[in-house]
Amino acid sequence: AQSVTQLDSQVPVFEEAPVELRCNYSSSVSVYLFWYVQYPNQGLQLLLKYLSGSTLVKGINGFEAEFNKSQTSFHLRKPSVHISDTAEYFCAVTQAQNSGGSNYKLTFGKGTLLTVNP
Amino acid sequence: DGGITQSPKYLFRKEGQNVTLSCEQNLNHDAMYWYRQDPGQGLRLIYYSQIVNDFQKGDIAEGYSVSREKKESFPLTVTSAQKNPTAFYLCASSRGPGFNEQFFGPGTRLTVL
Repeated sequence: AQSVTQLDSQVPVFEEAPVELRCNYSSSVSVYLFWYVQYPNQGLQLLLKYLSGSTLVKGINGFEAEFNKSQTSFHLRKPSVHISDTAEYFCAVTQAQNSGGSNYKLTFGKGTLLTVNP
Repeated sequence: DGGITQSPKYLFRKEGQNVTLSCEQNLNHDAMYWYRQDPGQGLRLIYYSQIVNDFQKGDIAEGYSVSREKKESFPLTVTSAQKNPTAFYLCASSRGPGFNEQFFGPGTRLTVL
């Protein structure tokens, strides 16, 4: 079984400040990792994903995340946030295809609400 | 444009009534999913389908039913057996085995009066 912990339920920051949203996962097999963003009353949009290769992953809207296997983390960062980044962010994990399983269900964290203040 | 549509956006029902939420995709994806979202709880998987005419229960299937008669459609029925159905429901799809990225629809907010 796999699980995801998003360590902060809410993160308030000021505009143009840097931000880090933390995500830790638990799994007994290799994993794929994702960050999604959800604006109010909308569906989820993929920000970025880690499947293999470079541990630093760049996504849309200036976000990036770093996969750290030893610490089982996949923290999301942005060097300078905008008001428009205010949204809820979800970290998700699934078994990697080469882990031997055919399970491609996503397990989501409970979300982090990022609020960017002027 | 390819994507996932869910209808209606908002849905109200009286307690004790069944209601069906629509989900359609034109991405030619094999797999489809239904999630329930409650404040502070993230997304929880209700049902998923990897191919037509086949589906599996997720983590919270009780009180829900689905069908997958066509590749592009995966309707969810919230039955009167679901004790707390008021929530935001999200449909998603993915290409299939080996393609784990899921694409989401805009959601349906169900309120039981």
